[in-house]
Amino acid sequence: DAGVIQSPRHEVTEMGQEVTLRCKPISGHDYLFWYRQTMMRGLELLIYFNNNVPIDDSGMPEDRFSAKMPNASFSTLKIQPSEPRDSAVYFCASSGGTEVTDTQYFGPGTRLTVL
Amino acid sequence: SQKIEQNSEALNIQEGKTATLTCNYTNYSPAYLQWYRQDPGRGPVFLLLIRENEKEKRKERLKVTFDTTLKQSLFHITASQPADSATYLCALQMDSNYQLIWGAGTKLIIKP
Repeated sequence: DAGVIQSPRHEVTEMGQEVTLRCKPISGHDYLFWYRQTMMRGLELLIYFNNNVPIDDSGMPEDRFSAKMPNASFSTLKIQPSEPRDSAVYFCASSGGTEVTDTQYFGPGTRLTVL
Repeated sequence: SQKIEQNSEALNIQEGKTATLTCNYTNYSPAYLQWYRQDPGRGPVFLLLIRENEKEKRKERLKVTFDTTLKQSLFHITASQPADSATYLCALQMDSNYQLIWGAGTKLIIKP
């Protein structure tokens, strides 16, 4: 398996623009997580899905952030409008089991820079 | 709210020695504690999980301990190698909750 795939790997945009980050989880995994990592705040869970349904979005910072999972093999995280403070590395992770302790597999991340 | 503290400064260890990283938490003890490795430009990679009723867990050269009285987990790498150089993250997980609470990570540098 290719692992969790994220695109783009790098995104540079200007404040106010819409940004869409994409994630393809590992085939067969039914949990998908979106994280954000910054030097100041470390790794933060934004939202997670189970069987394509959002379960906990309490980590989504503002209404400017939205996430969807239209099918088992694809998810998007959208920021509209983007702001400089959104600059961070965004990770997608997936997990395949039914146990809460099952390993989360992370993608390579998308480094977002908002100017 | 739960807080996690890991050594903020980089840890420099001579090759062959044992590296020990610390993860301290406040408030209530988690049901599980996980350790991950993160290399520059990559996502975290799972290493070990320890449950609150376990004192110690081993995997090859890795060992994790969990002391709920001290509210602390220690992560050991024995016979360290330069390839072990990375940032190591601990993450707390409450029972029946998929949400992980992450530490900021400790950068480990193994010198040849």
